[in-house]
Amino acid sequence: AQKITQTQPGMFVQEKEAVTLDCTYDTSDQSYGLFWYKQPSSGEMIFLIYQGSYDEQNATEGRYSLNFQKARKSANLVISASQLGDSAMYFCAMREGGISGGYQKVTFGTGTKLQVIP
Amino acid sequence: EAQVTQNPRYLITVTGKKLTVTCSQNMNHEYMSWYRQDPGLGLRQIYYSMNVEVTDKGDVPEGYKVSRKEKRNFPLILESPSPNQTSLYFCASSLTGLSYNEQFFGPGTRLTVL
Repeated sequence: AQKITQTQPGMFVQEKEAVTLDCTYDTSDQSYGLFWYKQPSSGEMIFLIYQGSYDEQNATEGRYSLNFQKARKSANLVISASQLGDSAMYFCAMREGGISGGYQKVTFGTGTKLQVIP
Repeated sequence: EAQVTQNPRYLITVTGKKLTVTCSQNMNHEYMSWYRQDPGLGLRQIYYSMNVEVTDKGDVPEGYKVSRKEKRNFPLILESPSPNQTSLYFCASSLTGLSYNEQFFGPGTRLTVL
């Protein structure tokens, strides 16, 4: 079974509008971290935002926020006031394993290509 | 400047010719990892290392080897490359392997195996 699922291969959004990129995950660990990365056309991977499984508040970083619904196992990325520079590939990732140091793998979703229209 | 470096950035080679992609980080990170990125498949973890001399398989380790003799370096070795290993490769590091540590990525190595 897929551990990270991103169901939107591609999305369009009008400049200055908000957009939500979906991510659902599957884990039996109690301790895990969820991450979003941006990959512009130049290819580098840029860390955007992190949400811990025990965090009660949704994470926010500037125009990025993470809509974390633990019971539904979803961690959607919300980008407010989209800009042309937001056009990129976006990846959701999960890091399992807690202080006991057990499972150390990292799993990525297949990504969502976002295009911002002027 | 804190960074992860990879070399080479681009490589075209032929089937069966052994190659090594180097990865180095200057942040004193314990955890290092290799990924391959293929269209429609996202990033898939090849190998990871929790510390010096400690490595483990990721989801797609076949055809790859790694070693971690020093904390800062984590080379990826393809002993007999095949065309299905044509891909974009990323090295990444994080302070530890704990779930709250973000990873820092290298610039990527685009490998073509003919």
